[in-house]
Amino acid sequence: GAVVSQHPSWVICKSGTSVKIECRSLDFQATTMFWYRQFPKQSLMLMATSNEGSKATYEQGVEKDKFLINHASLTLSTLTVTSAHPEDSSFYICSGSQGSLMDEQFFGPGTRLTVL
Amino acid sequence: KNQVEQSPQSLIILEGKNCTLQCNYTVSPFSNLRWYKQDTGRGPVSLTIMTFSENTKSNGRYTATLDADTKQSSLHITASQLSDSASYICVVSARSNYQLIWGAGTKLIIKP
Repeated sequence: GAVVSQHPSWVICKSGTSVKIECRSLDFQATTMFWYRQFPKQSLMLMATSNEGSKATYEQGVEKDKFLINHASLTLSTLTVTSAHPEDSSFYICSGSQGSLMDEQFFGPGTRLTVL
Repeated sequence: KNQVEQSPQSLIILEGKNCTLQCNYTVSPFSNLRWYKQDTGRGPVSLTIMTFSENTKSNGRYTATLDADTKQSSLHITASQLSDSASYICVVSARSNYQLIWGAGTKLIIKP
């Protein structure tokens, strides 16, 4: 099956710092990558959709200047949480798709971000 | 409004028993319905994907059913194992924009 990795698996940072999370598709080319956020006991919430080489499309209510997404290649997307605050503490999950949103998505293991 | 509702919210059963999880949706027009298993602190793993014309789909001990007329789906787990303890999430895709509508999930706990 298609494998997606994320790095780091967990990170603790101080308020005001920026954190970068990497998402890699290991054995397939992810034309589209998705970034989700999941708060405790809640389901995944889509933050943004990115296609390789173009700007990400953000969901309503997600600040694009705070959550910077770069999808520079077909196997790598990064999410940078800028000037992180405690309310940004969450579980961030990426997924990759070989086509569009209608195709199956393969999820990474997630990154636990804790902002002190 | 497109919504996906799952029941029960949580379920505890003994190892070896069967169980059925429910999913009702109001997503229209419908494209497909997916069931995911999510272990605590991990990303979701796909169990099944069903389109409008599919009534049932199996993946090992997992069997999903779909009634597109009543807009209901179920996930049946047979002979449960301790490793089945996880959250099971129903996700429906809308054909208009292929947006994924996520259910809140059912937290399943298997006890020995």
